Amino acid sequence: DAGITQSPRHKVTETGTPVTLRCHQTENHRYMYWYRQDPGHGLRLIHYSYGVKDTDKGEVSDGYSVSRSKTEDFLLTLESATSSQTSVYFCAISETTGFGELFFGEGSRLTVL
Amino acid sequence: GDSVTQMEGPVTLSEEAFLTINCTYTATGYPSLFWYVQYPGEGLQLLLKATKADDKGSNKGFEATYRKETTSFHLEKGSVQVSDSAVYFCALSDQRNGNQFYFGTGTSLTVIP
Repeated sequence: DAGITQSPRHKVTETGTPVTLRCHQTENHRYMYWYRQDPGHGLRLIHYSYGVKDTDKGEVSDGYSVSRSKTEDFLLTLESATSSQTSVYFCAISETTGFGELFFGEGSRLTVL
Repeated sequence: GDSVTQMEGPVTLSEEAFLTINCTYTATGYPSLFWYVQYPGEGLQLLLKATKADDKGSNKGFEATYRKETTSFHLEKGSVQVSDSAVYFCALSDQRNGNQFYFGTGTSLTVIP
């Protein structure tokens, strides 16, 4: 199994509070991704990174920011959580793009009350 | 833009039945195609992939053929088992679109003894 750890695995928070989810990898893969999974929508890309301090937006980036100061860590921050951000968040990594395989973490379930 | 459409579920089959999950795609370039599987409480994991037209991906008795003429990548298995119960996601990655992965909405499969 690819070495991907997400933390926290479960979090309940209140509307308006900041939340940071962490993804840590031990594979030294270049590419890292944050997805959210919602019923009826499948997985949607929030942000991704193609190297240290190199990030770009995905299709549902509003309300989220990311940072990658080290190869192994990719942080997803909700500056002011809203109920619409209640979801399961998955981190994924890949060594290459296109033909390469995505390896997923186990997910972080976030509930915003 | 790139997108993936897969048949909606849920799908319920008896053990040893034949499985087909339909997947069609839209892409501007020449994508790679994937099937991912998600078991309860886990992240997604790669089931099989195909990188060019007419390629057949196969794994664990599952197969899918990359059909460029019909823009399809249908998943099939000749005899399902209870342990195949999971959610299946079709996905594509297109080098012409920044190598981002696009996922379908997922199809839930339940196999009953």
